[in-house]
Amino acid sequence: EPEVTQTPSHQVTQMGQEVILRCVPISNHLYFYWYRQILGQKVEFLVSFYNNEISEKSEIFDDQFSVERPDGSNFTLKIRSTKLEDSAMYFCAGDLGTEQVDTQYFGPGTRLTVL
Amino acid sequence: GENVEQHPSTLSVQEGDSAVIKCTYSDSASNYFPWYKQELGKRPQLIIDIRSNVGEKKDQRIAVTLNKTAKHFSLHITETQPEDSAVYFCAASLEYGNKLVFGAGTILRVKS
Repeated sequence: EPEVTQTPSHQVTQMGQEVILRCVPISNHLYFYWYRQILGQKVEFLVSFYNNEISEKSEIFDDQFSVERPDGSNFTLKIRSTKLEDSAMYFCAGDLGTEQVDTQYFGPGTRLTVL
Repeated sequence: GENVEQHPSTLSVQEGDSAVIKCTYSDSASNYFPWYKQELGKRPQLIIDIRSNVGEKKDQRIAVTLNKTAKHFSLHITETQPEDSAVYFCAASLEYGNKLVFGAGTILRVKS
């Protein structure tokens, strides 16, 4: 069964540095999402992406964040200047975008640690 | 926007007993309600979901009920086993292509 993959599994960075988190969604998925989960807390929506543009973003997704699908397979989340409070697990997810098939499949996550 | 409340935050049961986790949502337009199980350090895994045109759905030891009028839905796990121990999250969404709004999670501990 195909799965969403994410790299790296763990990223340690210094405050103020840029990071790029990468995801390879399931090939026939059309909608893509980034979520984050601060340790011990709930999963929070960051941004959704469809047809090569952002369809919705949360208050968390400010000007420091950007997403792109550079080559039709990878889906990336960039944080331009990381802050301590960006430390979290970041999950990529996708769904088929078909009525009655709403299931979102999550990747294994990237643990981002900002020092 | 949508807000999902989940209770209890922790639940301990004896192996073989049933466990019930409840969620309420605020947006009456939501019509898709999945439940995810998350083991420590792992990705959320879908265990069951329900759409608003259905009141109940069952899959072996797991069932979900939905009351659209009251805007609440519940997860029922029967004959619990130690491997059911995990964090369970409920979520709500408008439909495909829309974000999931998650509840705060329930830590389920099944004692053998």
